[in-house]
Amino acid sequence: QSVLTQPPSASGTPGQRVTISCSGTSSNIGTYPVNWYQQLPGTAPRLLIYNTNHRASGVPDRFSGSRSGTSASLAVSGLQSEDEADYYCAAWDDSLNGFYVFGTGTKVTVL
Amino acid sequence: EVQLLESGGGLVQPGGSLRLSCVASEFTFSSYAMSWVRQAPGKGLEWVSSVSSTGVTTRYADSVKGRFTISRDNSRNTLYLQMTGLRAEDTALYFCARWSLRDFHYDSSGYLFWGQGTLVTVSS
Repeated sequence: QSVLTQPPSASGTPGQRVTISCSGTSSNIGTYPVNWYQQLPGTAPRLLIYNTNHRASGVPDRFSGSRSGTSASLAVSGLQSEDEADYYCAAWDDSLNGFYVFGTGTKVTVL
Repeated sequence: EVQLLESGGGLVQPGGSLRLSCVASEFTFSSYAMSWVRQAPGKGLEWVSSVSSTGVTTRYADSVKGRFTISRDNSRNTLYLQMTGLRAEDTALYFCARWSLRDFHYDSSGYLFWGQGTLVTVSS
């Protein structure tokens, strides 16, 4: 079971800004940086954001990450049709000798 | 270009066994910890297991501990996942992924490289 909670869905029209939240605890997001992944239908996950707010190579600057306390957010500005995908937050968790935990995932729909 | 190619998935009965493989290329395999991450049909991502670059240190999710064994052969650039006592809830697409460090310790970089996955179906 995931310990990082995300809303199941989010949506917006082309050009709008969409924000996805990720709620954790002091043993994960409250202590460690956050990663974000994008998964297009039928494909492997793609790293979007590392170290909470750094875009991976090739990721458009429309994507941005942030963290406050035990929560994190991914913002997608200037929403485009190709942004329709599942998005997962993830972070290290230092309970149980340490492991990597993914969020529950958010399906973004471009209306 | 870094490549990870999984194989070994298939249909297996409950209680059965299966061994997954992941062949790596275009990077120094022996320098990185490696992991298996799975995704049940229509569900989210779940970290399953990780192994250090030398193969000495392994970690498992509670859901597979005692049933799955991760290993690697650095001479063959190959990562393995031996799965025994398979259950219906193990049905998933299994991805191999490269960690950013030699050991599976905290790092802010996440999984940059992933394979395309191999499907495991546990059903009678």
